[in-house]
Amino acid sequence: EAEVAQSPRYKITEKSQAVAFWCDPISGHATLYWYRQILGQGPELLVQFQDESVVDDSQLPKDRFSAERLKGVDSTLKIQPAELGDSAMYLCASSPRGGRTGELFFGEGSRLTVL
Amino acid sequence: AQSVTQLDSHVSVSEGTPVLLRCNYSSSYSPSLFWYVQHPNKGLQLLLKYTSAATLVKGINGFEAEFKKSETSFHLTKPSAHMSDAAEYFCVVNPNTGNQFYFGTGTSLTVIP
Repeated sequence: EAEVAQSPRYKITEKSQAVAFWCDPISGHATLYWYRQILGQGPELLVQFQDESVVDDSQLPKDRFSAERLKGVDSTLKIQPAELGDSAMYLCASSPRGGRTGELFFGEGSRLTVL
Repeated sequence: AQSVTQLDSHVSVSEGTPVLLRCNYSSSYSPSLFWYVQHPNKGLQLLLKYTSAATLVKGINGFEAEFKKSETSFHLTKPSAHMSDAAEYFCVVNPNTGNQFYFGTGTSLTVIP
């Protein structure tokens, strides 16, 4: 069964350092999402891609976060510099191109701890 | 505007008793609705989805949900809770206007042996 791949699963870093997360969606899925989930809360959308284009990044803290999906396949989310408040689970999800039956397929997530 | 309200942040049931997790939504369009489950330190897994076909939807692990348009509700139920059901549950709405998804704040289900 096809899965969304994410790495690393766990990352511990000190504040002011740079961190990067990688996501490989299910093959053929045009839409890719990055969510941040703080412990005890629901996922919050950071950025949504349609193919290689950003559809929504209104909640992405652009002074320190960046995301790219250069060839419309895999994607990287970067934080520089990391702050204590960035400690969270970063979830990647993908979805087929539109349609009423579209659903989100999630990866296992990347747990970030900033010390 | 779209929104999702999960009416209980925590639900506790005894093993073998019924489960009810409540979700109300608001959507300007004809939405698709989903329930996802998340176990600790894991990603979210789809339990079931409603996409304008049958209003009673059956999902995995014995869960089901009923779409009630007049009540704008999509409550999740299971006749008999199992210890392995202990997890966080999220109700999600897709208003079908651009592949966007709106999450509820989650309900933590505890199952007491």
